[in-house]
Amino acid sequence: GNSVTQMEGPVTLSEEAFLTINCTYTATGYPSLFWYVQYPGEGLQLLLKATKADDKGSNKGFEATYRKETTSFHLEKGSVQVSDSAVYFCALNGYSGGGADGLTFGKGTHLIIQP
Amino acid sequence: EAQVTQNPRYLITVTGKKLTVTCSQNMNHEYMSWYRQDPGLGLRQIYYSMNVEVTDKGDVPEGYKVSRKEKRNFPLILESPSPNQTSLYFCASSSPLSGTDTQYFGPGTRLTVL
Repeated sequence: GNSVTQMEGPVTLSEEAFLTINCTYTATGYPSLFWYVQYPGEGLQLLLKATKADDKGSNKGFEATYRKETTSFHLEKGSVQVSDSAVYFCALNGYSGGGADGLTFGKGTHLIIQP
Repeated sequence: EAQVTQNPRYLITVTGKKLTVTCSQNMNHEYMSWYRQDPGLGLRQIYYSMNVEVTDKGDVPEGYKVSRKEKRNFPLILESPSPNQTSLYFCASSSPLSGTDTQYFGPGTRLTVL
């Protein structure tokens, strides 16, 4: 079945540091890949997505590239801010030929940015 | 505003007392789903629905029921809640038929079963 593995953290960085959160996946077919963010006390928001190999998703200074050869979708940001403190989830969808297995999530990475 | 709403946002109940958590979306999405979020386990899918009157089990369906009588609503029913169903629940929707595989999430319902 599908699975997503990501570093769990917590990951603690200083403001303006470079961020990488690793995500690797196992899936059949050609899933879309997502990063969702959950701010304290809130629901999940889509941060970025990529639908095919070599696509790069980007939003709010975050980027991730769909690497089929390494089955990875690492999240990066060049200079983090205190407001980026949140839990980040890597996910893939199970849609294939009309099927709907829903999203398979990693366990989430708690990111803490210190001033 | 396009959104997924859930009610209630917080609920404390006792073992065995039936409850329903409602979910509604105003985006005309055909796909809806329920997840639970637990520390160290991430989000796991409970049930999903491809369209009206079509529902199917996800990864952790035991102890839950759902129905999809209308396209916009997808209630989650706990017939006899137990303490191990204490969790944070999220409803989500999307529209694969429109080529939109992005799922939009509700704000969550925090359930405590005593």
